[in-house]
Amino acid sequence: DTGVSQDPRHKITKRGQNVTFRCDPISEHNRLYWYRQTLGQGPEFLTYFQNEAQLEKSRLLSDRFSAERPKGSFSTLEIQRTEQGDSAMYLCASSLQYYEQYFGPGTRLTVT
Amino acid sequence: EDQVTQSPEALRLQEGESSSLNCSYTVSGLRGLFWYRQDPGKGPEFLFTLYSAGEEKEKERLKATLTKKESFLHITAPKPEDSATYLCAVQATTGNQFYFGTGTSLTVIP
Repeated sequence: DTGVSQDPRHKITKRGQNVTFRCDPISEHNRLYWYRQTLGQGPEFLTYFQNEAQLEKSRLLSDRFSAERPKGSFSTLEIQRTEQGDSAMYLCASSLQYYEQYFGPGTRLTVT
Repeated sequence: EDQVTQSPEALRLQEGESSSLNCSYTVSGLRGLFWYRQDPGKGPEFLFTLYSAGEEKEKERLKATLTKKESFLHITAPKPEDSATYLCAVQATTGNQFYFGTGTSLTVIP
């Protein structure tokens, strides 16, 4: 399977802990996006990479969130000092230039 | 501000009862409009891309159309396995973000 993969699929953490998620995009795709989705809502843009460069971040993105894409391959999203409001599905998507995005299965985060 | 509105929020159909889902958009310049299907607990699955008014795309029982202000996803003779949330997204020529609507939750009853 050469689709987008995400790890872990589920994460339960206590408030105040740090968590890190990983995304492996489709290999030939140069763009990688992170989204957050809560129940009943569409995916909300968090940040975007072209190759290894982080080119855009949502104005709503807290300083507790950071993302990296070393060497332009896989990406990680870290949330520091998690809060209950961070509970959501975190989705990763990749694309070739401006074309359609292909999504991974998501990481479900629950902050207790 | 770029914006996407989908209607209805939820739709229940009998198996075989055709209908349409609407996606209205406001964008400074449209690079592309995208339809996705999302099953519960899973990531969105790509269905169609439309680039210009008048364009149509078809796949099995689904047909997507585009005007300058909205897009429709027509579902012909739906089956229970078509039950899912259908998401619409737009990408503007002025940026790289995809703006998603809140989706239409479709339930097809046998």
